[in-house]
Amino acid sequence: GDSVTQMEGPVTLSEEAFLTINCTYTATGYPSLFWYVQYPGEGLQLLLKATKADDKGSNKGFEATYRKETTSFHLEKGSVQVSDSAVYFCALSSNTGNQFYFGTGTSLTVIP
Amino acid sequence: DTAVSQTPKYLVTQMGNDKSIKCEQNLGHDTMYWYKQDSKKFLKIMFSYNNKELIINETVPNRFSPKSPDKAHLNLHINSLELGDSAVYFCASSPLWGSGGGGGELFFGEGSRLTVL
Repeated sequence: GDSVTQMEGPVTLSEEAFLTINCTYTATGYPSLFWYVQYPGEGLQLLLKATKADDKGSNKGFEATYRKETTSFHLEKGSVQVSDSAVYFCALSSNTGNQFYFGTGTSLTVIP
Repeated sequence: DTAVSQTPKYLVTQMGNDKSIKCEQNLGHDTMYWYKQDSKKFLKIMFSYNNKELIINETVPNRFSPKSPDKAHLNLHINSLELGDSAVYFCASSPLWGSGGGGGELFFGEGSRLTVL
């Protein structure tokens, strides 16, 4: 079945460091891929998405590219801020229905 | 105006009690979900409703019973609460369903933190 495998955390970075959180997926067909972010005490909110191969999603300085050949959707940011401290979830939506599959989440802490 | 709203936000109760969590969305979406998030932040789908009809019913104890009076509301009732039910419960909605429906995103509520003592 469809699934998402995400880099385990926690991850601790200094402010302005480069961030990569790895995400790979298994799916039949052509799923849509998402990154969600959960700030402390809040619900999940969509950070970015890509709906087809080679699409790049971007938002708030974060980017991820839908790579079908490597079945990956890695999240990157060139220079993290303290305010980026949160839990990040990779997810996919199958194209056979509205089933969503989430990764286990990666906790990021950015220190000044 | 909150898109997906849940009440209550916090719930502390004794083992054996029965409690309900309510969810409403004003986005006009047809599909609504309940997720459970444990202390390690792992998200588990519990139920999904499409236009008031149960679509997904994962392996969840039958003490948990969802109810959808209309497509804008999805409530969760839990009987005979146990310690292991302590978690954050998230309601979510999505605009798409069916073959080729990929691309639709989930909109989450802020969560309801349930603590069973």
